[in-house]
Amino acid sequence: QSVLTQPPSASGTPGQRVTISCSGSSSNIGSNTVNWYQQLPGTAPKLLIYNNNQRPSGVPDRFSDSKSGTSASLAISGLQSEDEADYYCATWDDSLKTLLFGGGTKLTVL
Amino acid sequence: QVQLVESGGGVVQPGRSLRLSCAASGFSFSSSAMHWVRQAPGKGLEWVSMIWFDGSNTYYADSVKGRFTISRDNSKNTVDLQMNSLRAEDTAVYHCARDPPSSGYAFDYWGQGTLVTVSS
Repeated sequence: QSVLTQPPSASGTPGQRVTISCSGSSSNIGSNTVNWYQQLPGTAPKLLIYNNNQRPSGVPDRFSDSKSGTSASLAISGLQSEDEADYYCATWDDSLKTLLFGGGTKLTVL
Repeated sequence: QVQLVESGGGVVQPGRSLRLSCAASGFSFSSSAMHWVRQAPGKGLEWVSMIWFDGSNTYYADSVKGRFTISRDNSKNTVDLQMNSLRAEDTAVYHCARDPPSSGYAFDYWGQGTLVTVSS
């Protein structure tokens, strides 16, 4: 059971906008930035969003995030088939002194 | 270009030890914190450990505290993970990851990982 809670699955059709939520607490999401990772099958995770909606070079602006209180969300607009992957949120927890990953959300493009 | 290459994985019996190493290149290694993250077969990502850029502070997940030790050698651009008293539940692919300054614990580069299998 992860301290950061994500829905196990999400889905959408090409062109749609989908969101993936990540729920935590005041000691983690409420106090620190949330980072998002994409993991395609058989590959290492890739940083998608970091430090308040910053995107590494090469990540399209179809990906964005938001945060409110102790929850964060990743939004993917103009969904494409290549977006089918596992998505993870992550942040530092000030009380536990550990980094936390969400349980992951498997995104299916129908 | 930035490269992180893990080594040292393999099959080990429960209770035994293993040492993983991550060789870094293509960036100022001594400026970045480094992490180990693992992924059990078919499961999600689990953070394991972190070491500050200068090695002055280390942190561990509760699941490995007291059994695993992270260290780094900034002269060799390597970060190691000494794993003792291994358990079946430590079976996973272990990735090292870079956490550059002011990134907010964002891992912008990952190694491909090394598989550790704990089995009798």
